[in-house]
Amino acid sequence: QKEVEQDPGPLSVPEGAIVSLNCTYSNSAFQYFMWYRQYSRKGPELLMYTYSSGNKEDGRFTAQVDKSSKYISLFIRDSQPSDSATYLCAMEEAAGNKLTFGGGTRVLVKP
Amino acid sequence: GAVVSQHPSWVICKSGTSVKIECRSLDFQATTMFWYRQFPKQSLMLMATSNEGSKATYEQGVEKDKFLINHASLTLSTLTVTSAHPEDSSFYICSARQPQNEQYFGPGTRLTVT
Repeated sequence: QKEVEQDPGPLSVPEGAIVSLNCTYSNSAFQYFMWYRQYSRKGPELLMYTYSSGNKEDGRFTAQVDKSSKYISLFIRDSQPSDSATYLCAMEEAAGNKLTFGGGTRVLVKP
Repeated sequence: GAVVSQHPSWVICKSGTSVKIECRSLDFQATTMFWYRQFPKQSLMLMATSNEGSKATYEQGVEKDKFLINHASLTLSTLTVTSAHPEDSSFYICSARQPQNEQYFGPGTRLTVT
């Protein structure tokens, strides 16, 4: 079993819909949680960075962390075709340590 | 967010030659830099962790004599693929971070070995 599980998709939604992404993990020591967006043949771009359990909102993006369930989510409101990309969750035990990535979910937003 | 650059963005080399990839943090000093490789439709695989002024720490299964990493300054790390072979063809991505801060990624370098 992988340390971080993420559905590979593809997840196809119509423009304007809410995109819901999630990851589950097994290491209870993870404390910092991130979501990255990666376009084809580009480096990952940091979208959200959260510590411990709770919600964080930034524009159209909302990240949720439930440490008791070992489950994190990313919601994208009012999705646009430009949101079509692969979304990677990542986590670490302490700030500054190496990241453990999920496998990525490919998202396609259709006009 | 912080900016990390990589050079070159794409390189083609012949089998047996060496290739150097540069990673720079443009607007911050990075005490730690990481090197990843990524195969098509797969996630990132960490190759090594590099701290400024010290030897890199390689992940299990990564040949340190083949993938030479140098982190000579707080803004520059280099990855040299020595005696490259076609199986080394991949997308190489670096990242950089300050202590206790987020990790920012470069745009990646596509290496093709013929």
